[in-house]
Amino acid sequence: DSGVTQTPKHLITATGQRVTLRCSPRSGDLSVYWYQQSLDQGLQFLIQYYNGEERAKGNILERFSAQQFPDLHSELNLSSLELGDSALYFCASSGGTGGLDTQYFGPGTRLTVL
Amino acid sequence: GENVEQHPSTLSVQEGDSAVIKCTYSDSASNYFPWYKQELGKRPQLIIDIRSNVGEKKDQRIAVTLNKTAKHFSLHITETQPEDSAVYFCAASPAGGGADGLTFGKGTHLIIQP
Repeated sequence: DSGVTQTPKHLITATGQRVTLRCSPRSGDLSVYWYQQSLDQGLQFLIQYYNGEERAKGNILERFSAQQFPDLHSELNLSSLELGDSALYFCASSGGTGGLDTQYFGPGTRLTVL
Repeated sequence: GENVEQHPSTLSVQEGDSAVIKCTYSDSASNYFPWYKQELGKRPQLIIDIRSNVGEKKDQRIAVTLNKTAKHFSLHITETQPEDSAVYFCAASPAGGGADGLTFGKGTHLIIQP
């Protein structure tokens, strides 16, 4: 167990819908990262938040957004869902000092878009 | 941006033999290189990482070597066991794990034959 929690474990929804994925980092970690894992694209970095502020952006679509709250948990919002958004979504956390931090992954949320 | 190439995509070895997985990266600014193990449907789990100020790191049966001049790094697993069967991912981070997301290789499916 990495100490990073994610809810829900599974999510099934329809095209065009909007969903919210939730992540709680390890105790004391200030950074949260979101990753998408699909068969064709592999593991891809989406976005990073550090202590409530957006820190880095990767291959995140405009239909996707995220935020980090004062208690440091984070939410990833996916809207206007398409079949191709079906994937495993992981969050990871790190100490977040901006140095060479180790990232610890949560158990993931499996999103299925029908 | 960073690009990480990983090979082989599948590696089958006899139990007790050694396994070697190789990765190359493109961004000379990368200075943090973790390796993750992922079992089917589970989270990526950090098994070892190396930072650019060292050339080699070992943890029991697992070792990682880094050649910054050639921009490649490798994972070595000795005395392989059935529980080593999984998908292994290498990754690189240009600004350090705390300030940027990880760029992952496509993964190596390691199969340990009894």
